[in-house]
Amino acid sequence: GAVVSQHPSRVICKSGTSVKIECRSLDFQATTMFWYRQFPKQSLMLMATSNEGSKATYEQGVEKDKFLINHASLTLSTLTVTSAHPEDSSFYICSARPQAGGTSDTQYFGPGTRLTVL
Amino acid sequence: QKEVEQDPGPLSVPEGAIVSLNCTYSNSAFQYFMWYRQYSRKGPELLMYTYSSGNKEDGRFTAQVDKSSKYISLFIRDSQPSDSATYLCAMSRGFGNEKLTFGTGTRLTIIP
Repeated sequence: GAVVSQHPSRVICKSGTSVKIECRSLDFQATTMFWYRQFPKQSLMLMATSNEGSKATYEQGVEKDKFLINHASLTLSTLTVTSAHPEDSSFYICSARPQAGGTSDTQYFGPGTRLTVL
Repeated sequence: QKEVEQDPGPLSVPEGAIVSLNCTYSNSAFQYFMWYRQYSRKGPELLMYTYSSGNKEDGRFTAQVDKSSKYISLFIRDSQPSDSATYLCAMSRGFGNEKLTFGTGTRLTIIP
């Protein structure tokens, strides 16, 4: 149980295009999902916290107009990287927290999406 | 100064050895401490979590927290090649909904 999927697992795009990454909780409902970015040999850095039905909360230094987050249902959150540039190339990972009283009070991580912007 | 410091390694040990992984932190508000294992090009997998100071054991893994020293450890007994991965410590002020602050991760290789 407590499986989180991400799609796509890898994407290569041209500079200036937009890319959408999906994060799904497969066997539980998640009121809160988190989006992280991980550069090579570096730690996971929280980008934003996404709550179902409300606006995402972005960490300091993360441009909300560039990284659009939509948490439309209890099992799906999407991250759209708008007008992507090579410096946006990174490993994007989501995590999901089950609803209170659900599987467990922890965060479960997806497998990550490798974004390469040419 | 980073909130969480973790030696990035790499750390290589022979199969069967005891592995000790550590993190130090500066924020005394952290109450929950977690260890994640991350295989190459995969998302982190939660191994263990502990609340406040103390020890917790799960199979070959033991997590220790010393809040007075702001120091946490993960011990792996009878290490196996399949334990080769990057191990990340993480901590938060609350559990579940609070944001996690991660260490940089220690890359571990178990040599058969």
